Formats: sequence, C-alpha cells, structure tokens
Amino acid sequence: DTGVSQNPRHKITKRGQNVTFRCDPISEHNRLYWYRQTLGQGPEFLTYFQNEAQLEKSRLLSDRFSAERPKGSFSTLEIQRTEQGDSAMYLCASSFGGPILYNEQFFGPGTRLTVL
Amino acid sequence: GESVGLHLPTLSVQEGDNSIINCAYSNSASDYFIWYKQESGKGPQFIIDIRSNMDKRQGQRVTVLLNKTVKHLSLQIAATQPGDSAVYFCAEGGNTGNQFYFGTGTSLTVIP
Repeated sequence: DTGVSQNPRHKITKRGQNVTFRCDPISEHNRLYWYRQTLGQGPEFLTYFQNEAQLEKSRLLSDRFSAERPKGSFSTLEIQRTEQGDSAMYLCASSFGGPILYNEQFFGPGTRLTVL
Repeated sequence: GESVGLHLPTLSVQEGDNSIINCAYSNSASDYFIWYKQESGKGPQFIIDIRSNMDKRQGQRVTVLLNKTVKHLSLQIAATQPGDSAVYFCAEGGNTGNQFYFGTGTSLTVIP
C-alpha cells in the first residue's frame, strides 16, 4: 500500500453514461497525476496538478474528460458520455514537488472502468 | 510523444538466477529514467531511478544501467525470487518533469 487510494476500484457502466473517479493522494504531496492504462500497455499520462492548479493536460484528454482538485488534496476525474474505448485502468499518482525537477511518483491501485 | 520501448515482452528465469530487462528510448534529450514493477491488480511500484549524468545506479538487489550513446536502459535483478514475478516498465521523465512516458512492459516470470 503506497498511501494513495482510489475509489471505486471497479466501475461498470453503459455507453453514454457519465462516471466519476476519486483519488486521495498522500497527504503531504502537492503534485497529483492521472494516467490511463490499457491491457498490456504502460500507463499513459493524462493530466497533472500542482496543488489545486491543473498545469498540464495530455492530448489524450478529450473534451469529455475533466479533472479537478478543488482544495489541493483529493482529485476527481470525470468522463462524460462514456465510450467503449474509454475502458481502461485509470491510475492516480502523487509526489512531493520541490526544487528537484523529478520526484518519485507513488501510484494508487487504480480504478478499472468497463464500458458496455 | 516520446517513444520508450522494450526489447522483449516476456522473460522467464529460474529462481536464484539473475534477470536482465532491457529498454530502448528515442529522445536523446531525456535526462531521467525510472523502472517500475507492476503486479497484477496493483498500480506501478517504483523500483529505482537514474539521471542522465550517471551510467549506473545500484539498489537492493537491483542495478540500473544507462547507455546514452545507444539510448539503452537495463534493469538487473540479482538472485531473482518468486516475488519478483511481475510486469516491469521503464519510463522516461518528460521535459517538464511532470510527465513520464512508459514503455509497453516486460512480463517477468520466476520459475521455482
């Protein structure tokens, strides 16, 4: 257990429905990341927060995806009008960002989304 | 995006032997690399990292080697144990320091 938690762990939904996932990072970590991972592939970066500010977004993050981190603690990732291609594992990671450019990211267990 | 790839998708080793997992990257400007281990149903777990100003770094039973000339990274696991069975990913730190580009992964199976 890395200290990063994600809920729910599994989500099955029908195409066209909206879903929301939550990530609770390690409490002292100011950086939070979302990744998507499909079977047999490595995680793909989606977006990154420094405190409550969303500083980077991947081109993978279509208009149907939105992420928030309102108080700089937990984060939510919402997918609107889900498509079958959204089926994947959604991973959250957190790190402590300081003067060092790169910092170890601690990953949560992920939320597995299945869109029927 | 960046291109980070692995030479072999699967690797089987006898318990007690050493394992070597390889990774190639394409961005010669990359300056930070990480190895992650991912067990079934879990998120990736940090193993070891290396910055481009180094060519070797050792941890507990693991060693990472970086060859910038040929843009190659390897992970060596000494005395492989059944608990080492997992998928191993190399990742490259993006230019901003906030994105990491992961390879496809190598599945390591340790035979008792």
